[in-house]
Amino acid sequence: QSALTQPASVSGSPGQSITISCTGTSSDVGNYNLVSWYQQHPGKAPKLMIYEGSKRPSGVSNRFSGSKSGNTASLTISGLQAEDEADYYCCSYAGSSTAVFGGGTQLTVL
Amino acid sequence: QLQLQESGPGLVKPSQTLSLTCTVSGGSISSSTYYWGWIRQPPGKGLEWIGSIYYSGSTYYNPSLKSRVTISVDTSKNQFSLKLRSVTAADTAVYYCARHPSWPIRLFDYWGQGTLVTVS
Repeated sequence: QSALTQPASVSGSPGQSITISCTGTSSDVGNYNLVSWYQQHPGKAPKLMIYEGSKRPSGVSNRFSGSKSGNTASLTISGLQAEDEADYYCCSYAGSSTAVFGGGTQLTVL
Repeated sequence: QLQLQESGPGLVKPSQTLSLTCTVSGGSISSSTYYWGWIRQPPGKGLEWIGSIYYSGSTYYNPSLKSRVTISVDTSKNQFSLKLRSVTAADTAVYYCARHPSWPIRLFDYWGQGTLVTVS
């Protein structure tokens, strides 16, 4: 069971859109529509932003959206704001009653 | 509002056992809808799911840690606990407790604030 692969960092200017990828295998991301995304500000606990690939919990801005193609899930943030600067992690069910996280992506708002 | 709070020693010696407890307030750990999990994050690194437990005591563990981990539940205290045996410096991390709906894991919706455990 290997960690999902995310880019180490992405950046964008306020108002722009960015996309963070999360690549797994046919045993996890590709086999289940059970990818979730978490936002983590420094020194804070992760916060659920997207679940089951594209669903938003109550209270999460509709600027956050999720999708999946094959073994890769993606998180898109539109209309970037300074407060979006944080680390983002994907997570997928990996079968056999296990879960696996990605290595995390640091988002910088320029 | 559901709250989770980790507690336990912040410093553990190598080869010893790391023990943490998560206290749940604002809701019952005996809910049939949820599992309760442990997740850790080494300094400057990513998240790693350790394992989860149901109020009945049913457990699931990360295969990479399974041989060293035990998660237990005390419904009378609304708590669940983590024991990690034979720790090394690689087990130094912030340890979070979190809730997720019943299997399969599709989200972690409530998290504790995390507690740093240093192995040294």
